[in-house]
Amino acid sequence: SAVISQKPSRDICQRGTSLTIQCQVDSQVTMMFWYRQQPGQSLTLIATANQGSEATYESGFVIDKFPISRPNLTFSTLTVSNMSPEDSSIYLCSVWAASYNEQFFGPGTRLTVL
Amino acid sequence: EDQVTQSPEALRLQEGESSSLNCSYTVSGLRGLFWYRQDPGKGPEFLFTLYSAGEEKEKERLKATLTKKESFLHITAPKPEDSATYLCAVRRENSGYALNFGKGTSLLVTP
Repeated sequence: SAVISQKPSRDICQRGTSLTIQCQVDSQVTMMFWYRQQPGQSLTLIATANQGSEATYESGFVIDKFPISRPNLTFSTLTVSNMSPEDSSIYLCSVWAASYNEQFFGPGTRLTVL
Repeated sequence: EDQVTQSPEALRLQEGESSSLNCSYTVSGLRGLFWYRQDPGKGPEFLFTLYSAGEEKEKERLKATLTKKESFLHITAPKPEDSATYLCAVRRENSGYALNFGKGTSLLVTP
């Protein structure tokens, strides 16, 4: 299976600051995604990270709040900007691995905003 | 709009007591129904993908089935290590591999 690592694993941040989360995959993958998992809620897709072009955002998520980079086929970052307590959540990187015909998830980044 | 509803929200079983988890879905052009297991503090772990009604897949004590409106995850003779949250997700046509998740079923298996 594809092995996904995320950094940091958790963080506590102050309101108004920004945090960048990194996602590294051990093999080249075509599709990378960022999801959010809020307490008691479903995993929700934030955006698809496109290599070499702007990310594709889902309804309710905007680039100014969640800028995403994907410089190559194994790495992506998600920034949570100008954070508020409502951004406290687990953020998950996910990849579609065509060679396995499966979708894998990273371990997640647990973010707490005070 | 796609909808994925899982029931029950929580389930407590005695070790060895078989049961089923339900995932009802409404989606335009199903391109796969996925089951994941999620342990506390970890990311979802892939279990199964089902693509067409009538399809079944098995893995150890787990068996997933699919109809045109719902999927079941059958757990036979569960053990305490099967305790986890089980997530169901659907992928629809033209979604670019994105998944739409239900809220999950929290399963606790007691010795």
